[in-house]
Amino acid sequence: EDQVTQSPEALRLQEGESSSLNCSYTVSGLRGLFWYRQDPGKGPEFLFTLYSAGEEKEKERLKATLTKKESFLHITAPKPEDSATYLCAVPNFGNEKLTFGTGTRLTIIP
Amino acid sequence: NAGVTQTPKFQVLKTGQSMTLQCAQDMNHNSMYWYRQDPGMGLRLIYYSASEGTTDKGEVPNGYNVSRLNKREFSLRLESAAPSQTSVYFCASTVGGISGNTIYFGEGSWLTVV
Repeated sequence: EDQVTQSPEALRLQEGESSSLNCSYTVSGLRGLFWYRQDPGKGPEFLFTLYSAGEEKEKERLKATLTKKESFLHITAPKPEDSATYLCAVPNFGNEKLTFGTGTRLTIIP
Repeated sequence: NAGVTQTPKFQVLKTGQSMTLQCAQDMNHNSMYWYRQDPGMGLRLIYYSASEGTTDKGEVPNGYNVSRLNKREFSLRLESAAPSQTSVYFCASTVGGISGNTIYFGEGSWLTVV
């Protein structure tokens, strides 16, 4: 069965302090890996899709990378507005199910 | 630019009551999904509709029914609510399946069963 594990569960950073969030996955045939941002009381908001090892995508202060076993979401010089829960997910092979991790709750302190 | 709209936003039910969560998307998407989100569990797929006229079970379908009313609307029904169905429910849609397509989520419906 496909599995997605995110670490750490929670991360507190000072404004401007760069760090990385980890998403480890086990799937029978990778068909992509998704990153989402979720603010309290809101639905997940799409950030990135990565399809193959070595692929990188960037958006503002965020950069997502992918290897054969894990993905990293790097956040550079974060601002308080980057505070949110970040989710990763992989599509299951042969059906329409997305397996989600439980997320990393990121807090940026001014 | 509404995207995926869910109603109601909040609902409190008594055990055994029934209710329907409504979802509509205005992006002309073919595929629609219902997920639930519980602390420490991540989002789990309840039911999905790959296209108008079809529905399929997801990971946790027990206690739920769905209707794909038309291309825009996909409803989730709880026939006899149980406390274990207390959760946050998210509707989502994509143009055609989860592989290679961006999935858009609604704002969520908070359901409490007492």
